[in-house]
Amino acid sequence: GENVEQHPSTLSVQEGDSAVIKCTYSDSASNYFPWYKQELGKRPQLIIDIRSNVGEKKDQRIAVTLNKTAKHFSLHITETQPEDSAVYFCAASIDFGNEKLTFGTGTRLTIIP
Amino acid sequence: KAGVTQTPRYLIKTRGQQVTLSCSPISGHRSVSWYQQTPGQGLQFLFEYFSETQRNKGNFPGRFSGRQFSNSRSEMNVSTLELGDSALYLCASSFSSGTGETQYFGPGTRLLVL
Repeated sequence: GENVEQHPSTLSVQEGDSAVIKCTYSDSASNYFPWYKQELGKRPQLIIDIRSNVGEKKDQRIAVTLNKTAKHFSLHITETQPEDSAVYFCAASIDFGNEKLTFGTGTRLTIIP
Repeated sequence: KAGVTQTPRYLIKTRGQQVTLSCSPISGHRSVSWYQQTPGQGLQFLFEYFSETQRNKGNFPGRFSGRQFSNSRSEMNVSTLELGDSALYLCASSFSSGTGETQYFGPGTRLLVL
């Protein structure tokens, strides 16, 4: 089955700097890669996703890149703000009719004011 | 549209008991997936239901079961509870049209087994 590894497990960044979280996956059939943000005591919220026919996707301060050859994808957050502090999860799944998401172990991001 | 809802939000049970959790998906969504979240194991897929049929299943023992009703609402059941079943149980719904399957999570049910 699919295995997703996520690094780092914790990340502290000065406010205004950039943060990068990396994930690798094992199943070459996976082609859907969402990122979720989970604040303490709250539900995971989708922040961005990418499909394998796209190499990069950007939404304001958040971007995701995908390298299918190397089987890794990354989350980039620029101009970080205190409200970006949360746990971030990457995930992978096979598209079309398969809703099983395999999650990474999470990255606790702390923004230092 | 209303988001995904789950009931109850908190539950305390003792070992050996059984529990039923409920999930109401976003209106129009046909797929409901269940996940277990623990500090040690992270987010793990339990199973997914689509049109009242279990379409995918994770690596959990048979004590964990679920079902989906014709209105897409779903329940999961855990029988013979063990201490290790203490976790946050999350459900997620998606439209599952075949062109994209963004999953939206509910607030979760926090289960404590004593």
